[in-house]
Amino acid sequence: AQKVTQAQTEISVVEKEDVTLDCVYETRDTTYYLFWYKQPPSGELVFLIRRNSFDEQNEISGRYSWNFQKSTSSFNFTITASQVVDSAVYFCALSEAGFSGGYNKLIFGAGTRLAVHP
Amino acid sequence: GAGVSQSPSNKVTEKGKDVELRCDPISGHTALYWYRQSLGQGLEFLIYFQGNSAPDKSGLPSDRFSAERTGGSVSTLTIQRTQQEDSAVYLCASSTGLAMIYNEQFFGPGTRLTVL
Repeated sequence: AQKVTQAQTEISVVEKEDVTLDCVYETRDTTYYLFWYKQPPSGELVFLIRRNSFDEQNEISGRYSWNFQKSTSSFNFTITASQVVDSAVYFCALSEAGFSGGYNKLIFGAGTRLAVHP
Repeated sequence: GAGVSQSPSNKVTEKGKDVELRCDPISGHTALYWYRQSLGQGLEFLIYFQGNSAPDKSGLPSDRFSAERTGGSVSTLTIQRTQQEDSAVYLCASSTGLAMIYNEQFFGPGTRLTVL
């Protein structure tokens, strides 16, 4: 069965601190996708990144970076020099490859609520 | 073009009443998903529609929940005899539904359901 675990329920940091959000996944598929979504207080889900299981290269986008390690089934997300606007709930998610009929059901973790204080 | 739209944005109902939540996917998207976000439960998959294929209802929590997709476009999620534990934000997403490639899901703004 597929499962995503975000062990950190809430994290509180002061602005400019670096923060890492952990994500551990379980799947029997050899081909799958991993995602991070941001949900700000306004409620909409904002897509941040998608990685496929064949690409373990770490990715950096501005202050955001992602560390994908298949050996530990982890896909961690780091925000460098956090800002108040980063305050949100962050979800990690897993999807099978969907090669059959384009089906890509997302399995979400419980989310990590990040509060960045000035 | 327009994104995924959902209505109503908020719904307050009394326990035992039936409710209908509507999702209008992006035009041309054949795949449609419903998810539920309950307090403390994260986001959970409810049901998936793809074209004329039989839907995947494996995520529906009870037989009080049902969904239809008419004409391959608009979908309605119906909850009968609502209970307080049905209070949640119901999110709809759509995608192109093409085989052999990854299909990005685009999420709607959600319907917040409160059962008193």
